[in-house]
Amino acid sequence: GAGVSQTPSNKVTEKGKYVELRCDPISGHTALYWYRQSLGQGPEFLIYFQGTGAADDSGLPNDRFFAVRPEGSVSTLKIQRTERGDSAVYLCASSQGGGLAGISYNEQFFGPGTRLTVL
Amino acid sequence: AQSVTQLDSHVSVSEGTPVLLRCNYSSSYSPSLFWYVQHPNKGLQLLLKYTSAATLVKGINGFEAEFKKSETSFHLTKPSAHMSDAAEYFCVVTPSGGGADGLTFGKGTHLIIQP
Repeated sequence: GAGVSQTPSNKVTEKGKYVELRCDPISGHTALYWYRQSLGQGPEFLIYFQGTGAADDSGLPNDRFFAVRPEGSVSTLKIQRTERGDSAVYLCASSQGGGLAGISYNEQFFGPGTRLTVL
Repeated sequence: AQSVTQLDSHVSVSEGTPVLLRCNYSSSYSPSLFWYVQHPNKGLQLLLKYTSAATLVKGINGFEAEFKKSETSFHLTKPSAHMSDAAEYFCVVTPSGGGADGLTFGKGTHLIIQP
């Protein structure tokens, strides 16, 4: 079956512009995660959805970042007034369910990422 | 709070020789620990996971890791490196006692395989 897909694969924008990044999770996966990977670093957690609701958005760096998942499937990460420091690869992952890790860990499957470049 | 420290940013080994990628963790709870691999232009792939069962964990492609609570370590090993193992490897922790399900990644170790 299809894995997690992300579009676009590359996005170049100018400072101050608005961008939307899309994630299509694996069909049937209820949990969806967004991460950001800066050059030379490991991915950093941004936000986690369980169904349609954001169960944990503690990783969002500021209020310019927002994500939605209105029907519990596809998710969109939205960045307003982009800054050069937002340049990174944005990764999406999905899993069959969240829950308490260690009791019932559900593997997170990652998409290939969207490389965002803010000029 | 939890964190991981990958002790080497780059590791270079010859094909056919053993691989050792080192990871130390810090966690307020009994953690779940993972190793992920990232090949160029490909998505992250789970190699193996420790979730409080056996302390020696076997993963895909001949990799294994041992959870050592006394040393707070979760080093990744492979007896014989293959050229296809060249990639970026991430040690990952998440709390098993609750909290967010977001994963906390180390900074990564770049594995280079010399022919």
